[in-house]
Amino acid sequence: AQRVTQPEKLLSVFKGAPVELKCNYSYSGSPELFWYVQYSRQRLQLLLRHISRESIKGFTADLNKGETSFHLKKPFAQEEDSAMYYCALNSGGSNYKLTFGKGTLLTVNP
Amino acid sequence: NAGVTQTPKFQVLKTGQSMTLQCAQDMNHEYMSWYRQDPGMGLRLIHYSVGAGITDQGEVPNGYNVSRSTTEDFPLRLLSAAPSQTSVYFCASSDAGLSYGYTFGSGTRLTVV
Repeated sequence: AQRVTQPEKLLSVFKGAPVELKCNYSYSGSPELFWYVQYSRQRLQLLLRHISRESIKGFTADLNKGETSFHLKKPFAQEEDSAMYYCALNSGGSNYKLTFGKGTLLTVNP
Repeated sequence: NAGVTQTPKFQVLKTGQSMTLQCAQDMNHEYMSWYRQDPGMGLRLIHYSVGAGITDQGEVPNGYNVSRSTTEDFPLRLLSAAPSQTSVYFCASSDAGLSYGYTFGSGTRLTVV
């Protein structure tokens, strides 16, 4: 069974500080990993896909298969980054279900 | 391009009532899903569909029914509402293979009293 773990429910940093949101997964095959962001009372938006290796809004995430992790990082946090962040896993193949972690609420203080 | 549209945005039901949450997408996506979002629980999959006429259960299907008669629509039916079904419900759709993840609707906030 696939599982996504986000160990921190809450994360608080100051503006300009680096931020890392942790995500670990359990899946025996080759997963596809995503980060979604949900700003206050808005719909979930796709932030990053691991296969695209892109940087969005200054965020990056690297898939580490050895550590089964997909941590989200940003070197200098901004107040507008305050939101709920969800890590999600798609096991691929004929399994079209996206499994989400429980989310981390990031607060960036001025 | 409307994307994924959910109606209603808010709903209050009495215990035992039934209702249908509507979801429509105009992106010709094959895959559609319903999730519920609860504090501290993240998003949990209720039902999903890989195409018209094909549906399957997710993690928390009890108390909910779905059907997929067209590619565009994927309604979620609550058969007999219970307070435990108080939640925010999100509909989502995706193209083949989930390569780009899901596109989400704006959600329906349901309260069962």
